Amino acid sequence: GAVVSQHPSWVICKSGTSVKIECRSLDFQATTMFWYRQFPKQSLMLMATSNEGSKATYEQGVEKDKFLINHASLTLSTLTVTSAHPEDSSFYICSARDPSGAYEQYFGPGTRLTVT
Amino acid sequence: EDQVTQSPEALRLQEGESSSLNCSYTVSGLRGLFWYRQDPGKGPEFLFTLYSAGEEKEKERLKATLTKKESFLHITAPKPEDSATYLCAVQGWAQGGSEKLVFGKGTKLTVNP
Repeated sequence: GAVVSQHPSWVICKSGTSVKIECRSLDFQATTMFWYRQFPKQSLMLMATSNEGSKATYEQGVEKDKFLINHASLTLSTLTVTSAHPEDSSFYICSARDPSGAYEQYFGPGTRLTVT
Repeated sequence: EDQVTQSPEALRLQEGESSSLNCSYTVSGLRGLFWYRQDPGKGPEFLFTLYSAGEEKEKERLKATLTKKESFLHITAPKPEDSATYLCAVQGWAQGGSEKLVFGKGTKLTVNP
């Protein structure tokens, strides 16, 4: 149980274009999902908390107009990187908490974004 | 501000050689301390949650313990398949209801056959 999927697993896009990443909870309904970013040899940094049916809460320093988050259903959250630039290249990982469990978050497999 | 420091950054063991990984933390009211395993190019895999000092949890060759300032992940008789980066994260109560996890940089474990 508590499986989270992400799509795509990797994507290459040109500078100035936008890319959408999907995060799905497969066997539970998640009222809250989380988006993290991980640079090589660095820890995971929370970008935003995605709440179903309401606006996402962004961490300090994260541009909400650049990283658009939509949580339209209890099993799907999307992250859109708008007008991507090479510095946005990173590993993006989503997570979700199973409401029937405790506080642990279950992570998706991640999406490797490369902006050329 | 909540902080997590993991040591060592990297650890090489021979198969069967037991050892421990350390996670030191500061948090304004601990809701939970979490251990994850991360393989290269993959998302973290949940291992344990610890809630209060003195608590211990075990899973196969892994045992996690918790004090008021640090947590240890003990690996007994490791096998090559235990090679991975082990991440520690904390979640505090004093964040206005936020479920934010604060992660350490991890310990990269390599177990040689």
